[in-house]
Amino acid sequence: DAGVIQSPRHEVTEMGQEVTLRCKPISGHNSLFWYRQTMMRGLELLIYFNNNVPIDDSGMPEDRFSAKMPNASFSTLKIQPSEPRDSAVYFCASTDPGQSSYNEQFFGPGTRLTVL
Amino acid sequence: LAKTTQPISMDSYEGQEVNITCSHNNIATNDYITWYQQFPSQGPRFIIQGYKTKVTNEVASLFIPADRKSSTLSLPRVSLSDTAVYYCLVGNKLSFGAGTTVTVRA
Repeated sequence: DAGVIQSPRHEVTEMGQEVTLRCKPISGHNSLFWYRQTMMRGLELLIYFNNNVPIDDSGMPEDRFSAKMPNASFSTLKIQPSEPRDSAVYFCASTDPGQSSYNEQFFGPGTRLTVL
Repeated sequence: LAKTTQPISMDSYEGQEVNITCSHNNIATNDYITWYQQFPSQGPRFIIQGYKTKVTNEVASLFIPADRKSSTLSLPRVSLSDTAVYYCLVGNKLSFGAGTTVTVRA
């Protein structure tokens, strides 16, 4: 398996622009997580899905952030409009509690977002 | 939601054993304890998980006392490549916190 796939790996944009980050979970995994990591705040959970349904989005910072999972093999995290303080590394992770150890999440390589 | 406390950083030398203790005083009965490792420019990677007593795998050992209010991750004979951030997590909701930055020197 190729693991969790994220695209793009790097994104540089200007303030006010829309940014879309993409994630393909490991095939067969039914839970998907979006995280954000910065030096100041560490690794924060933004939202997670079970069977394509958003379960907990309490970590989404504000209405500018939205996430979708239209099917089991694809998810997007969108920021509109983007701001410089959104600059961070965004990770996607997936898991299937039925197949792996409890809480064992598999992380993608991350997308490094820079908003100028 | 169980809160965890672990040291911000630890320094070690190659060949030594590194022990990182995590406090989780309000751990719930059903909560497992999970440790992740994160190298620079990579996502976190699962290392080990346990519920009580001792768990060992090819990477590390996890010691959990009877009251389960703390746990200790033990890395035997570390090498330079073990330099990373180590996170202690408790329960189902994955709150990573700042982790412990372990720096291994030659």
